[in-house]
Amino acid sequence: DAKTTQPPSMDCAEGRAANLPCNHSTISGNEYVYWYRQIHSQGPQYIIHGLKNNETNEMASLIITEDRKSSTLILPHATLRDTAVYYCIVRVYNTDKLIFGTGTRLQVFP
Amino acid sequence: EPEVTQTPSHQVTQMGQEVILRCVPISNHLYFYWYRQILGQKVEFLVSFYNNEISEKSEIFDDQFSVERPDGSNFTLKIRSTKLEDSAMYFCASSELAQGAFFGQGTRLTVV
Repeated sequence: DAKTTQPPSMDCAEGRAANLPCNHSTISGNEYVYWYRQIHSQGPQYIIHGLKNNETNEMASLIITEDRKSSTLILPHATLRDTAVYYCIVRVYNTDKLIFGTGTRLQVFP
Repeated sequence: EPEVTQTPSHQVTQMGQEVILRCVPISNHLYFYWYRQILGQKVEFLVSFYNNEISEKSEIFDDQFSVERPDGSNFTLKIRSTKLEDSAMYFCASSELAQGAFFGQGTRLTVV
């Protein structure tokens, strides 16, 4: 089972920041947090991952709380093309597999 | 930008037939995966492959499934005798060590 909890859906106005929360209260010290998104039935797209420090790349920022029990994915300026299902995944230590939950369906509106 | 390529994009097969789904992972990646997604359901892990052998598999990946890296660039998933419930999107993915996996666009398998 997925080790994360996400809201099932969120809305965001185009051009505004989208902040997607994720709870992972049972995360272990050596487990990474990964974020993916899936547009329609396309293949999941890697966004970002982190262990304990905040991370930023060209797509998004990842903010991980100090106790590592939750994180937030930030899309700084959402566009209509960011409408997708966003998955927060804790990669279990010593395994390569990703366990997908049901994610958050983000709808960006004009 | 390098990407994972999957062929065919759509495969229709009769129940009981064998199918082979093909993938070309990103060239310098060492880990390879297959996932599937039944329509309207979650993305499910099937198998991971490293150093020419299966490193992990799920309970879905039974004796009807097999994987192979036949020539150092392709990575295939074979289903020996397809069932109706094998109808799904099948995603191949690859990764370097300690990095996120990159997924292909998938093969839609329809078993009739």
